[in-house]
Amino acid sequence: GIQVEQSPPDLILQEGANSTLRCNFSDSVNNLQWFHQNPWGQLINLFYIPSGTKQNGRLSATTVATERYSLLYISSSQTTDSGVYFCAAGPNAGGTSYGKLTFGQGTILTVHP
Amino acid sequence: GAVVSQHPSRVICKSGTSVKIECRSLDFQATTMFWYRQFPKQSLMLMATSNEGSKATYEQGVEKDKFLINHASLTLSTLTVTSAHPEDSSFYICSASYGRGITTNEKLFFGSGTQLSVL
Repeated sequence: GIQVEQSPPDLILQEGANSTLRCNFSDSVNNLQWFHQNPWGQLINLFYIPSGTKQNGRLSATTVATERYSLLYISSSQTTDSGVYFCAAGPNAGGTSYGKLTFGQGTILTVHP
Repeated sequence: GAVVSQHPSRVICKSGTSVKIECRSLDFQATTMFWYRQFPKQSLMLMATSNEGSKATYEQGVEKDKFLINHASLTLSTLTVTSAHPEDSSFYICSASYGRGITTNEKLFFGSGTQLSVL
């Protein structure tokens, strides 16, 4: 199956700093999503971005499907940005693979005031 | 966006009992729902694909007799952990998509998860 690798595994920032999280995937995808898991375990869907670039406030994401990677940018980080960020990819296979997501191991982000 | 409701959010049970977790799509119909499991400080692992009106499809290594999945309607899927043991303690999360295509992966929406603790 598809492999998803995220880097860095841990990231510590001072409030106001910018950061870039990376997600590499091993095969072509039809689905690429970024999530933020808060301390209570809830997964917040940040971006659905199988290709291209999207922005939402201080967050933006870019996926270069041909090179099999995606980047999540966080600008002017805040303490509330702390948590685990997951990248998840769905294979470009359809059929029985439809809707299946493989998650990366996540990046643990800690933002200090 | 679409809302997926999961209940209960937390359950503590004795070893040997069964626990049922519900996953509902509140404002859309979900032909397919997915169940994931997450151990502490680890990633999410897909357990099974829940198909409305038919048997669930389990991932390799997941015991279908231990984790019973029922998808009786287009808005409800249930996961029952039968004869739970401490090693079943975990965070369980469901997801659903309102897409109905078979060749396109649509955006998936997730429930808020259920923390199961088996004593």
